[in-house]
Amino acid sequence: DIQMTQSPSTLSASVGDRVTITCRASQSISSWLAWYQQKPGKAPKLLIYKASSLESGVPSRFSGSGSGTEFTLTISSLQPDDFATYYCQQYNSYSRTWTFGQGTKVEIK
Amino acid sequence: QITLKESGPTLVKPTQTLTLTCTFSGFSLSTSGVGVGWIRQPPGKALEWLALIYWDDDKRYSPSLKSRLTITKDTSKNQVVLTMTNMDPVDTATYYCAQRKLVAGVIFDYWGQGTLVTVSS
Repeated sequence: DIQMTQSPSTLSASVGDRVTITCRASQSISSWLAWYQQKPGKAPKLLIYKASSLESGVPSRFSGSGSGTEFTLTISSLQPDDFATYYCQQYNSYSRTWTFGQGTKVEIK
Repeated sequence: QITLKESGPTLVKPTQTLTLTCTFSGFSLSTSGVGVGWIRQPPGKALEWLALIYWDDDKRYSPSLKSRLTITKDTSKNQVVLTMTNMDPVDTATYYCAQRKLVAGVIFDYWGQGTLVTVSS
């Protein structure tokens, strides 16, 4: 199985900060990587797919990059609504199984 | 407008079988490419993909839980059912159903609100 490792587990930041979250795959997944945002008590929300494609309606301050085994999610200027937990998900079609990272919680500094 | 909603018991006893139903609207599970999956999340922990069923009745399961899971669909009722056998307290989680986004691969763009299932005697 492909394992996904996110870092850091928790991140403390202030409004206006540039924030970067990393996700590493245990083997190459090309660009088959998605990012989700989850707020307490709510279902996850898709932000980015295929490593860098922004989901419709998602603010442009969110961006994704990477390929192979290392990926990043960047929030260019953190807004109050962005304090949440972020998950990466690999969807390598060859594996036919799909796994999430352990999550990164973005907290108010 | 696409919506999904999970239903089922909130409390099950250890060794029992859990049956959850996902009732959806706004799309058809008979349309080519469409899929519905189940994902769970133990309290305070990460998301875990469980199972997926496609429009053509192809099914995928998490390797670690495959022996305990069955996913089926009823296209006429717009429902997907997940059964999980031999429930254990570690299976306590919020269970979500979600629609597969119609792009290459499997990611989820519409989610239900989730249903919390507690396993306890």
